[in-house]
Amino acid sequence: SQQGEEDPQALSIQEGENATMNCSYKTSINNLQWYRQNSGRGLVHLILIRSNEREKHSGRLRVTLDTSKKSSSLLITASRAADTASYFCATDESNDYKLSFGAGTTVTVRA
Amino acid sequence: NAGVMQNPRHLVRRRGQEARLRCSPMKGHSHVYWYRQLPEEGLKFMVYLQKENIIDESGMPKERFSAEFPKEGPSILRIQQVVRGDSAAYFCASSPIAWGNTGELFFGEGSRLTVL
Repeated sequence: SQQGEEDPQALSIQEGENATMNCSYKTSINNLQWYRQNSGRGLVHLILIRSNEREKHSGRLRVTLDTSKKSSSLLITASRAADTASYFCATDESNDYKLSFGAGTTVTVRA
Repeated sequence: NAGVMQNPRHLVRRRGQEARLRCSPMKGHSHVYWYRQLPEEGLKFMVYLQKENIIDESGMPKERFSAEFPKEGPSILRIQQVVRGDSAAYFCASSPIAWGNTGELFFGEGSRLTVL
């Protein structure tokens, strides 16, 4: 069964707006990662947040982690057309390589 | 600095044929992971290999699927007697050292298998 579940499944926003997507998971984790996948391409690592961290920033990305609620959010500020992609959260439960991916949030940024 | 290279990018096979997918990890990476992505789903772990060793194949179907990472050459994921349900994108990822230190996997662009 999937560990991470992203919400919403799809998101359409205007360029310049912020995009927020959430990830919920079931079991305790060591870290949570967000990846981006452009259509027909591979996954690109965006950011990793460890279980003892609450918030992390990387450029226009902001990730939060609430281990008590078993959830994480990814915020993309000032979105651009190039941000159009699917975004996946992946959890690492046992500090090994078996990342558990959700089904992703498809983000469309309209020019 | 070349990334993870996968080929072929697209592969079409008829039911019963064999599919061979290749993956060359990033330079300096000795750990290879294969994941499968079914349509509209997230990636699912299949197998983790180091040179000449299968470390964990718990995510790989017991029959028809095999993987190797020889001393020389790319890692190969082999699917024998393919069925329509094998149609998916197969992603290879690599990491420079054993998992747990950086947490990041570097993914290739995937091999999309279509079984007719």
